[in-house]
Amino acid sequence: AQSVTQLDSQVPVFEEAPVELRCNYSSSVSVYLFWYVQYPNQGLQLLLKYLSGSTLVKGINGFEAEFNKSQTSFHLRKPSVHISDTAEYFCAVSDRGGSEKLVFGKGTKLTVNP
Amino acid sequence: NAGVMQNPRHLVRRRGQEARLRCSPVKGHSHVYWYRQLPEEGLKFMVYLQKENIIDESGMPKERFSAEFPKEGPSILRIQQVVRGDSAAYFCASSRSGTTGRNIQYFGAGTRLSVL
Repeated sequence: AQSVTQLDSQVPVFEEAPVELRCNYSSSVSVYLFWYVQYPNQGLQLLLKYLSGSTLVKGINGFEAEFNKSQTSFHLRKPSVHISDTAEYFCAVSDRGGSEKLVFGKGTKLTVNP
Repeated sequence: NAGVMQNPRHLVRRRGQEARLRCSPVKGHSHVYWYRQLPEEGLKFMVYLQKENIIDESGMPKERFSAEFPKEGPSILRIQQVVRGDSAAYFCASSRSGTTGRNIQYFGAGTRLSVL
């Protein structure tokens, strides 16, 4: 079985500051990794994904994430945040070649203050 | 180029009534997934369907819940005799077939069910 841990439930930052949202996963098999963003009262939007290849993946809105197999981590970063980045961010994994279901972390609420 | 469409966006039911949640996948997608989001929780997988088949229902409660994805029309998540604990946001996602494509799920805006 897989599990995802998002270490910070809330992250407040000031506008234009860098941010890192942490994600660790546990799995006995190889996985695909995803970050989704959810704005208030909306569905989830895919930010970026790691399927294979380069461990540094770039997504939309200036976000990037790095897959670290040895540390089983997939932390999300942005060098300079905007007020509009205020949202909840979910890390998710799915089993390569197995069940298609996504296993989500509990989410991290990012609040960007002026 | 419509994304995943869910309706209704908000649904209010009294205890004991039935709730029907509909999901139309992205055009060309043949895989549908349902997830439930409880307050202060991440999304939990419920069921994975392909056209006319349930592939994985390991996350579905054993009673009162059912799902279908007919050959024609939207996928339906049906909750019979709702209870207050069913109050949650229900999200549908879809993906297309193919090795890489199957692993990228696109989400709808969700149906927020409130049980009075």
